[in-house]
Amino acid sequence: AQSVSQHNHHVILSEAASLELGCNYSYGGTVNLFWYVQYPGQHLQLLLKYFSGDPLVKGIKGFEAEFIKSKFSFNLRKPSVQWSDTAEYFCAVNGDNAGNMLTFGGGTRLMVKP
Amino acid sequence: DTAVSQTPKYLVTQMGNDKSIKCEQNLGHDTMYWYKQDSKKFLKIMFSYNNKELIINETVPNRFSPKSPDKAHLNLHINSLELGDSAVYFCASSQGWGNTEAFFGQGTRLTVV
Repeated sequence: AQSVSQHNHHVILSEAASLELGCNYSYGGTVNLFWYVQYPGQHLQLLLKYFSGDPLVKGIKGFEAEFIKSKFSFNLRKPSVQWSDTAEYFCAVNGDNAGNMLTFGGGTRLMVKP
Repeated sequence: DTAVSQTPKYLVTQMGNDKSIKCEQNLGHDTMYWYKQDSKKFLKIMFSYNNKELIINETVPNRFSPKSPDKAHLNLHINSLELGDSAVYFCASSQGWGNTEAFFGQGTRLTVV
């Protein structure tokens, strides 16, 4: 079975600060990795995804994530956050035997102070 | 044009009732899903369905059942609702089975009183 853990449950930053949200997964096979964002009262939107190739992936709104296979990690980063980045962030994986069913981490609530 | 749409957006109902949540996608995808997000924001897969296969998360009570009248729709039926069913339910869809992303609907907040 696959599992995902996000270490930071709540993060509070000031605008222009740099962001890194941790994500670790456990699964023995090939995985696809995702970061989704959920703005208050809205649905999940894909920020970025990794299937194969360059382990450093760039997503929308200036976000990027790096897949480190040896560490089973897929941390999300942004060099300078904005107030509008306030949202809940979810890391997710699907393993090669799980079709497209996603296993989500517990989420990280980011609050950016203006 | 909403890619994945759910109705209703809010649903308040009494314990013991039977209710349905509808989901439609206009992306031409062949696979649809239902996820449950609890009060702590934890998201969990409930079902995955395409025209050939239904995969059920074994933790989902059999009071929950997905019904798909066609490829573009996957409705969620819930019988004998319980307080613990209160959550936000998200429908999603994707194309294919493997390296592809899922698109989510806006969610249905179900409150059982």
